[in-house]
Amino acid sequence: DIQMTQSPSSLSASVGDRVTITCQASQDISNYLNWYQQKPGKAPKLLIYDASNLETGVPSRFSGSGSGTDFTFTISSLQPEDIATYYCQQYDNLQYTFGQGTKLEIK
Amino acid sequence: QVQLVESGGGVVQPGRSLRLSCAASGFTFSSYGMHWVRQAPGKGLEWVAVISYDGSNKYYADSVKGRFTISRDNSKNTLYLQMNSLRAEDTAVYYCAKDRRPKDMTPSNFQHWGQGTLVTVSS
Repeated sequence: DIQMTQSPSSLSASVGDRVTITCQASQDISNYLNWYQQKPGKAPKLLIYDASNLETGVPSRFSGSGSGTDFTFTISSLQPEDIATYYCQQYDNLQYTFGQGTKLEIK
Repeated sequence: QVQLVESGGGVVQPGRSLRLSCAASGFTFSSYGMHWVRQAPGKGLEWVAVISYDGSNKYYADSVKGRFTISRDNSKNTLYLQMNSLRAEDTAVYYCAKDRRPKDMTPSNFQHWGQGTLVTVSS
């Protein structure tokens, strides 16, 4: 099974900061990588699909990049409403794996 | 708009069974693969199972294979998860999720989610 290593596990940043989260796959997954945001007590929300495609209705300050084994998720200018836990997720051969999550807090 | 409403959660003893349901609306249910994803209290997300748009293909996480069965009734716009031989480690909020890709494309992600239903396995 493909393992996803997400880092950091937690992150504290100021409003307006550029925030970056990385995800590394244990083997080549092409661009089969998605990113989700989960706020406390809520279901996750799809933000980025297929590594770099912004889901409809998601603000453009969110972006994703990468292919193969190394992927990056970026918030260009952190907003207070972005406080959440973020997860990467890969899909390969009809098996799906999430990263451990990154808890984002406001400094 | 897409709406997914899970039901059927509750407290169950180890070794017993439970069936979850997910009522779908706001989209053509029979055109999309559907998933179950769970989240243990205070923990991360774990994919459980996926079913193709027509119910012909089903895949499971190793942790539930042989114990859980995913199914769907396209005439009722409803997804199911039959959970047998439940263990304490199955305690979690269970979400149903609609895949982003339609019909013949390989299911790839979880575009829309329900609000979740809590399953607690405890004696």
